[in-house]
Amino acid sequence: GQQVMQIPQYQHVQEGEDFTTYCNSSTTLSNIQWYKQRPGGHPVFLIQLVKSGEVKKQKRLTFQFGEAKKNSSLHITATQTTDVGTYFCAGHNNNDMRFGAGTRLTVKP
Amino acid sequence: DSGVTQTPKHLITATGQRVTLRCSPRSGDLSVYWYQQSLDQGLQFLIQYYNGEERAKGNILERFSAQQFPDLHSELNLSSLELGDSALYFCASSVLGVRGTEAFFGQGTRLTVV
Repeated sequence: GQQVMQIPQYQHVQEGEDFTTYCNSSTTLSNIQWYKQRPGGHPVFLIQLVKSGEVKKQKRLTFQFGEAKKNSSLHITATQTTDVGTYFCAGHNNNDMRFGAGTRLTVKP
Repeated sequence: DSGVTQTPKHLITATGQRVTLRCSPRSGDLSVYWYQQSLDQGLQFLIQYYNGEERAKGNILERFSAQQFPDLHSELNLSSLELGDSALYFCASSVLGVRGTEAFFGQGTRLTVV
């Protein structure tokens, strides 16, 4: 079945540094979503990418979908303490959605 | 408020016992997903239902079972509980909307097995 791998598992950065998390699927995806889970909270939808090579931006966050629609990345520029949390990718195909294990981001002020 | 309701919020039970976790999806959402999240870990996909039928199965133990009822609410049954089953159990429902296929998560049920 569909497998979604996400790296790194943890990332510690100094405030102001950049951060990137990567997601890889074993199968071609119809789309991929990204979610953020704040400490003690539940995952919340951030964005969906559908097209091959698609790039979307949300303020300091840049999301990219690979040309083969099997990988994706989330890049945060100049991290802030409000960015702390776990970022999950979720690959979607044929009504089947699988989450990556997530990347837990901590930001040192 | 995501619109997905999970009950109970907290559950403490002893090893060997059986519990039932309940999830009410958002109105109109046909898909329900169950996930297990152990302390500081990622989301482990357990099982998905779509309009009452099992759609996909993940790393769900044989001691665990789930079902989705005609009114689309779902229950996750955990039996012969072990200490290692202590975790946060999330339910999510999804729908194809203007932003794409978005999953809405409930607040989760925190299960503690003692």
